Amino acid sequence: SQKIEQNSEALNIQEGKTATLTCNYTNYSPAYLQWYRQDPGRGPVFLLLIRENEKEKRKERLKVTFDTTLKQSLFHITASQPADSATYLCALDLLYNQGGKLIFGQGTELSVKP
Amino acid sequence: GAVVSQHPSWVICKSGTSVKIECRSLDFQATTMFWYRQFPKQSLMLMATSNEGSKATYEQGVEKDKFLINHASLTLSTLTVTSAHPEDSSFYICSASLGAPYEQYFGPGTRLTVT
Repeated sequence: SQKIEQNSEALNIQEGKTATLTCNYTNYSPAYLQWYRQDPGRGPVFLLLIRENEKEKRKERLKVTFDTTLKQSLFHITASQPADSATYLCALDLLYNQGGKLIFGQGTELSVKP
Repeated sequence: GAVVSQHPSWVICKSGTSVKIECRSLDFQATTMFWYRQFPKQSLMLMATSNEGSKATYEQGVEKDKFLINHASLTLSTLTVTSAHPEDSSFYICSASLGAPYEQYFGPGTRLTVT
């Protein structure tokens, strides 16, 4: 069956450390993978998009890797800050089959302690 | 950046009544809009894909006669929950896209409570 799974447990880290979030999927062939941030009671906010032929993408303190062989994406936040505390969602963009609709993981709740 | 608004931000209605939620792209024309619902501590579940001027495409298990979607213009899509019941209480979020493979821009969400 098709599945997309993120770190099942909430992630608690100390300010200044690097947070690493995992997104694994099975039985999908995504053209793109996207990461979003969601704060409580709010809609998600787009962070980064990585294509199937890209290994790594960076944006300021954020870094995303995409391994289509392992069917896994890692999302890193370096020099984390309390303001980075939120739920982070990965989403598969099936593009070729589904007209660009996104399939979301359940999210990982990140808490950065000062 | 692209901004998407939703109205209302929250609504409480009685069981059996209908509720309309609006989703607008404020500074761009969205060829495609998506409607999601989200239960507490759970992920976003896609309900339907809406293309301007054509019928919405509903996901499996979503009743199209209960969740009416209208995409009348490139900046406005509406979701009407008809004959709402308490189990329809949820957080409804819309998103707009410039078209694949672009990212989606989400509205702030609408909290629906059916009493």
